[in-house]
Amino acid sequence: DVKVTQSSRYLVKRTGEKVFLECVQDMDHENMFWYRQDPGLGLRLIYFSYDVKMKEKGDIPEGYSVSREKKERFSLILESASTNQTSMYLCASSSQGARGSYEQYFGPGTRLTVT
Amino acid sequence: DAKTTQPTSMDCAEGRAANLPCNHSTISGNEYVYWYRQIHSQGPQYIIHGLKNNETNEMASLIITEDRKSSTLILPHATLRDTAVYYCIVRGGSNFGNEKLTFGTGTRLTIIP
Repeated sequence: DVKVTQSSRYLVKRTGEKVFLECVQDMDHENMFWYRQDPGLGLRLIYFSYDVKMKEKGDIPEGYSVSREKKERFSLILESASTNQTSMYLCASSSQGARGSYEQYFGPGTRLTVT
Repeated sequence: DAKTTQPTSMDCAEGRAANLPCNHSTISGNEYVYWYRQIHSQGPQYIIHGLKNNETNEMASLIITEDRKSSTLILPHATLRDTAVYYCIVRGGSNFGNEKLTFGTGTRLTIIP
């Protein structure tokens, strides 16, 4: 089974702190994603990466950066946390498989609270 | 990617088949229909996907109409553990540079004991 793990289930940080959210997948997937989920807004894509050291902006990249130094690990960085970044953060991975079969596998999520 | 429309909520009796509809009238020829679900406090889980033929796996069946403008996800014998939000997503089977999944608000399915 594909496993996507995230470093923390719950995290509380103060405004202005630098925050690192880590995601690791064990299926040698090429693609990795960071989403945030807020009530009434669904899942929104922050960044994704289709290869080591490659990254692409999603729909809401402002205030975030990412790092992918190894294939299995994709980090989301909040340079200076703000209260409007309080959210559930979800990491996902997928393989570059046959056409149409790009199902994404999600981690359990990190609920981040910024005070 | 084409827009989808789903009912906000549905109930289903335990042991019965749960039929979740989805409209995607603007779907184009190379777009696939995907279904995911999200159980409370967990990440979304892939269920099934299809292009134009009906599909079945160990979790569910997917019925796509001939004109592909709508589809139905069927959970054949719903259990309490199937209570979740179900998302219908349409996306193209394109290259790796277009991997984004757009999740709407989905259907909240409640299985009644």
